[in-house]
Amino acid sequence: DGGITQSPKYLFRKEGQNVTLSCEQNLNHDAMYWYRQDPGQGLRLIYYSQIVNDFQKGDIAEGYSVSREKKESFPLTVTSAQKNPTAFYLCASSPRDRGLEQYFGPGTRLTVT
Amino acid sequence: AQSVTQLGSHVSVSEGALVLLRCNYSSSVPPYLFWYVQYPNQGLQLLLKYTSAATLVKGINGFEAEFKKSETSFHLTKPSAHMSDAAEYFCAVSDRGSGTYKYIFGTGTRLKVLA
Repeated sequence: DGGITQSPKYLFRKEGQNVTLSCEQNLNHDAMYWYRQDPGQGLRLIYYSQIVNDFQKGDIAEGYSVSREKKESFPLTVTSAQKNPTAFYLCASSPRDRGLEQYFGPGTRLTVT
Repeated sequence: AQSVTQLGSHVSVSEGALVLLRCNYSSSVPPYLFWYVQYPNQGLQLLLKYTSAATLVKGINGFEAEFKKSETSFHLTKPSAHMSDAAEYFCAVSDRGSGTYKYIFGTGTRLKVLA
């Protein structure tokens, strides 16, 4: 089955710790994306990558970092510099065709206390 | 730059009633438009998309949307609501004007279906 996996589903961390969220896809998509979702704010783009070894900041990149060393993988690190890291994080991928939709993973709910 | 506005963050309908969720976009070029559904604590699932073919687009679960260029709208409808339609719905546009592969999402509309 082709799709996007995110792990873990729920993640708990202490304030001041960095944490890495996993995102893997086997759809052979070139583009991958990370979104943050907070109640009432929709999806906000953190980072996106259109091709391996390249990525761009989205609208709320501060306090986050990514890498794209493999086509299938796009991990997101939430650093201690992110002031309000508790949120639902969604990973997505798409082909490099703007007429085609994004495919979403199941999400990771991060809670930082 | 393209943008998307969803009118009404919460919509309630009775079971069996018409569902109408509103989406307006702004774009300087012909847009690609999408509607997604999200159930609690899950990812987004595509309902339907408009890619400049037929203006009336049919999707999954009985939903459809009509692209109206004159009104810059892409409203989502379903003739008869079912309890299982309760979810959050997002309208999105593909950012064709920027040279990137970004998608711009509305802030979402939470649909409640009353028994």
